[in-house]
Amino acid sequence: GAGVSQSPSNKVTEKGKDVELRCDPISGHTALYWYRQRLGQGLEFLIYFQGNSAPDKSGLPSDRFSAERTGESVSTLTIQRTQQEDSAVYLCASSLVLEQFFGPGTRLTVL
Amino acid sequence: DAKTTQPTSMDCAEGRAANLPCNHSTISGNEYVYWYRQIHSQGPQYIIHGLKNNETNEMASLIITEDRKSSTLILPHATLRDTAVYYCIVRVGIGTGNQFYFGTGTSLTVIP
Repeated sequence: GAGVSQSPSNKVTEKGKDVELRCDPISGHTALYWYRQRLGQGLEFLIYFQGNSAPDKSGLPSDRFSAERTGESVSTLTIQRTQQEDSAVYLCASSLVLEQFFGPGTRLTVL
Repeated sequence: DAKTTQPTSMDCAEGRAANLPCNHSTISGNEYVYWYRQIHSQGPQYIIHGLKNNETNEMASLIITEDRKSSTLILPHATLRDTAVYYCIVRVGIGTGNQFYFGTGTSLTVIP
């Protein structure tokens, strides 16, 4: 079946602009995660959604970052007033029980 | 979640076993050990996980010490396609706070 998909695959934006990144999880997966990976570094947890529970936002680096998920479907990660340090690959993953399935990521470049 | 410590990089000859160590000395009793790998420019891929007992699947084996403070991922016959960054993660399996905390991992290079 279809895996986790993300769009766009690449996004180039100017400093100060807002961006929206989309994640389509695997159908039926109750959990959804967002991560950030800067060049040459490991994955950095951002936010976690589990069913209808309140999301765990403990990894969001600033109030410019927010994410939404409607039910157990699509999620969007929004970065407001982007900065150059926001340049990274943003990865989304979904899971049903234990194993996480990752999407291909969105490469964000802030000029 | 417990932190993990892994070597930054390792080399392995093609066809030989690759043994990737991980220290997780502060692991809690209800935390699982997970291994993921990330091939260049792709999202991480699940490999294996375990709690106490050693585990084996079609990709790898996971050896967890009796005190659970360290583990080793074994790729029995490494191929060039196994060149990747390997992440060792510990986390609670089920319930709230199921985030994964990835470190920088071990960059494994399989040499022809």
